[in-house]
Amino acid sequence: DTAVSQTPKYLVTQMGNDKSIKCEQNLGHDTMYWYKQDSKKFLKIMFSYNNKELIINETVPNRFSPKSPDKAHLNLHINSLELGDSAVYFCASSQGQPGELFFGEGSRLTVL
Amino acid sequence: EDQVTQSPEALRLQEGESSSLNCSYTVSGLRGLFWYRQDPGKGPEFLFTLYSAGEEKEKERLKATLTKKESFLHITAPKPEDSATYLCAVQGSGGYQKVTFGTGTKLQVIP
Repeated sequence: DTAVSQTPKYLVTQMGNDKSIKCEQNLGHDTMYWYKQDSKKFLKIMFSYNNKELIINETVPNRFSPKSPDKAHLNLHINSLELGDSAVYFCASSQGQPGELFFGEGSRLTVL
Repeated sequence: EDQVTQSPEALRLQEGESSSLNCSYTVSGLRGLFWYRQDPGKGPEFLFTLYSAGEEKEKERLKATLTKKESFLHITAPKPEDSATYLCAVQGSGGYQKVTFGTGTKLQVIP
């Protein structure tokens, strides 16, 4: 039974297009996150939601819009995709300790 | 700003050859230091949390230790299934829920 699941696993698209990634967790955690991992494996936080409320919004272009319909779901919509958006996007959740994260398997986005 | 530096970038060991991975950090008010394992094509998997200098945690062949400036992940008699990238992360007191990751050490254990 998958704890944090995200779809799709792979996205390949053209520059300028819009794409969405969905994430769901069945752990009952209050906090969910989006992280971006670049080609050098550097993992950086983008957003954090606690009980549907935005807590962290790092310096991310406003082309990225997270949405949390309930505390078990956190989606990411990206407008006007650029080459530099190519990366692996990870959804994660935590309860209590922000550093004890449960990650999904990642969504690899390739922008051509 | 919090910073995490891991070394070496890559490490190749023979099966059974013990070694250590290093994680150096600068942080304002450490709230926790975390170790993760990441297999290719997968999300990071949480291993340990350390809170204060002198603390140690163990799991199978892995032992994590913490000083005021760095943490070590000691791998004793590694097996090929220990091959993975090991990530270190810190949470400081400056940013609510913000965790800063290092770029990891890619470990390969050869049979």
